[in-house]
Amino acid sequence: DTAVSQTPKYLVTQMGNDKSIKCEQNLGHDTMYWYKQDSKKFLKIMFSYNNKELIINETVPNRFSPKSPDKAHLNLHINSLELGDSAVYFCASRQGGRNTEAFFGQGTRLTVV
Amino acid sequence: AQKVTQAQTEISVVEKEDVTLDCVYETRDTTYYLFWYKQPPSGELVFLIRRNSFDEQNEISGRYSWNFQKSTSSFNFTITASQVVDSAVYFCALSGAGGGNKLTFGTGTQLKVEL
Repeated sequence: DTAVSQTPKYLVTQMGNDKSIKCEQNLGHDTMYWYKQDSKKFLKIMFSYNNKELIINETVPNRFSPKSPDKAHLNLHINSLELGDSAVYFCASRQGGRNTEAFFGQGTRLTVV
Repeated sequence: AQKVTQAQTEISVVEKEDVTLDCVYETRDTTYYLFWYKQPPSGELVFLIRRNSFDEQNEISGRYSWNFQKSTSSFNFTITASQVVDSAVYFCALSGAGGGNKLTFGTGTQLKVEL
C-alpha cells in the first residue's frame, strides 16, 4: 500500500502544452504539499493545502494551479508549459503542524521539450 | 524567515570510513523542528529523523547518529562505518511557525561511498 502516490512518474511534453499531475495519500493526513526539485537537487515548496484550503503559495507563476477536491488528493495543473518547468515534482503529506515529518510521493519527472 | 545551509555539496569516502554531514539553520522561532531526509539514486525521499528545539540529546540509530547543538544552530548527521548503500543525497530541513510550518530544505549533500 503506497502512502503517497503520484501519477504519472514520467511526463514528456512539448512547450505550450497543458498537463496535470495527480497525487493521493491514504495516511489520513490533513496537509498536503507540492515541492519542485530542480536539476541541482534543490527542493522548493510551491503550495501547501490544509483540509482543502490553500495555505502557502510561494510566488509560483499562475500557470501552475493546484486543486484539492478532498483532503486526500492534491493535483497540480500546469498551463502553457515552458522549458524551465522541467524538474521533478514531489507531492507530500503531513499530519498537523510543524512537529511532524512529511511523507513524499515518488516524484514526477517532467521534461518539456 | 528560516534558512538551512548545507555547505558540503559533495563528499566522497571509502567504505567503512565515518562521515559527518553538516547542517546549520537560521530561525527566529523558539519552537521549531529539524529533520533529515535521504534521497537515494532511485529518487524517493526517505525520512530519517525529527528533532524538536527543546531536545538537545544526541540520538543514535544503528550506524546513524545526530548531534543537535542549539548554541551553534547546528544539527549534524554522522554515519559510522559507511557502506555503499549509504550513497545518496542527504537533506536537512527545518519547520517552524515563522515559515508557515512548511519544511524548508537545505541544498543537500551528495554522499558517495566507494569500495
